[in-house]
Amino acid sequence: RKEVEQDPGPFNVPEGATVAFNCTYSNSASQSFFWYRQDCRKEPKLLMSVYSSGNEDGRFTAQLNRASQYISLLIRDSKLSDSATYLCVVNVLTGANNLFFGTGTRLTVIP
Amino acid sequence: ETGVTQSPTHLIKTRGQQVTLRCSSQSGHNTVSWYQQALGQGPQFIFQYYREEENGRGNFPPRFSGLQFPNYSSELNVNALELDDSALYLCASSEARETQIRAFFGQGTRLTVV
Repeated sequence: RKEVEQDPGPFNVPEGATVAFNCTYSNSASQSFFWYRQDCRKEPKLLMSVYSSGNEDGRFTAQLNRASQYISLLIRDSKLSDSATYLCVVNVLTGANNLFFGTGTRLTVIP
Repeated sequence: ETGVTQSPTHLIKTRGQQVTLRCSSQSGHNTVSWYQQALGQGPQFIFQYYREEENGRGNFPPRFSGLQFPNYSSELNVNALELDDSALYLCASSEARETQIRAFFGQGTRLTVV
């Protein structure tokens, strides 16, 4: 079983739409949670950390449900520049403090 | 810009050859992790170095090896290259070994094995 599972999409949405991505993780000992954004042929960049209380950064809202081992990302008022792959990322401290990535969900915002 | 730099940016090698990829970590970061990202997949953890010692390893064969230097820069070496080694190799540096890791990635080295 994969550490992190995401719907790969693609999601094609019109400008201004609201879109939600979901992800589940398998290890209940997971400690930290993130969403990364990756543009085509570029490196992943940290979009936001995810906390149990939920957190918001402008048009982006992230939620964590530890009981269900579920993470979400909501993007409101989608912009063309939001087109990218969104990676759900989990940190499990097991000797090495490494990150486990989902396969990513590809978003295309259409004019 | 993250301050993490990788070289080279692109590389073409022949099956069976050896390759060395390099990474300079962000100033103040003592931990470097290497990831392999195949096309259409998320990055997969190869190994991590903390203060010049390997601090954990993913599910990669021994022909994937690494080093970290006193200035915390790092190398990834791959011997006996196979076609499936073609991927984007990402280096990430982070500040602490313990909780709440925040990793900053270099731009990656795109390796093609022919």
